[in-house]
Amino acid sequence: GAGVSQSPRYKVAKRGQDVALRCDPISGHVSLFWYQQALGQGPEFLTYFQNEAQLDKSGLPSDRFFAERPEGSVSTLKIQRTQQEDSAVYLCASSFGRNTEAFFGQGTRLTVV
Amino acid sequence: KNEVEQSPQNLTAQEGEFITINCSYSVGISALHWLQQHPGGGIVSLFMLSSGKKKHGRLIATINIQEKHSSLHITASHPRDSAVYICAVSRGGGSQGNLIFGKGTKLSVKP
Repeated sequence: GAGVSQSPRYKVAKRGQDVALRCDPISGHVSLFWYQQALGQGPEFLTYFQNEAQLDKSGLPSDRFFAERPEGSVSTLKIQRTQQEDSAVYLCASSFGRNTEAFFGQGTRLTVV
Repeated sequence: KNEVEQSPQNLTAQEGEFITINCSYSVGISALHWLQQHPGGGIVSLFMLSSGKKKHGRLIATINIQEKHSSLHITASHPRDSAVYICAVSRGGGSQGNLIFGKGTKLSVKP
């Protein structure tokens, strides 16, 4: 596609529910990043993929968070047993490679009630 | 102390004013990014720079590597420039290129 696409745009989950957030990067982009942005804050790094390899997951806040990119294109961020503090905008970005310009998706706004 | 600091946090301007947003960082970087985020969440990359100055339309970004400081300038500001402007840095060295973000500057331009 022309840009990074994320779905759904909005997700309301009941506490304890599992959610899956999808990111379609720009075709040919090797690097893919997930960020979490709490209300009124700047985005914070969650995890990084180079093709299908998850090279850095140091930002994932707990073992309830899991990300995959099995074929090196589409990525899914899964949150198990959601909690209220998981409410945030989840942003995906992709780039051709390390330290090149990143292109961002519109984000998924997750609200846990 | 945050690794990327922006100032001001909030900025209100009248249409036509010249605007400056500042960013200071404390880590070694390979590049600095200025991003624009409108309500609704989408982020647009404005500039990526590692030295000197870049200009795009009414936007100008400068960076001083020695002082670890960057500025984003908007000339002849317009209400459509109202958004959150975020400074982010790509770490240098062996990093994978993930960005460290400032908290953003919320700009409101009044007609």
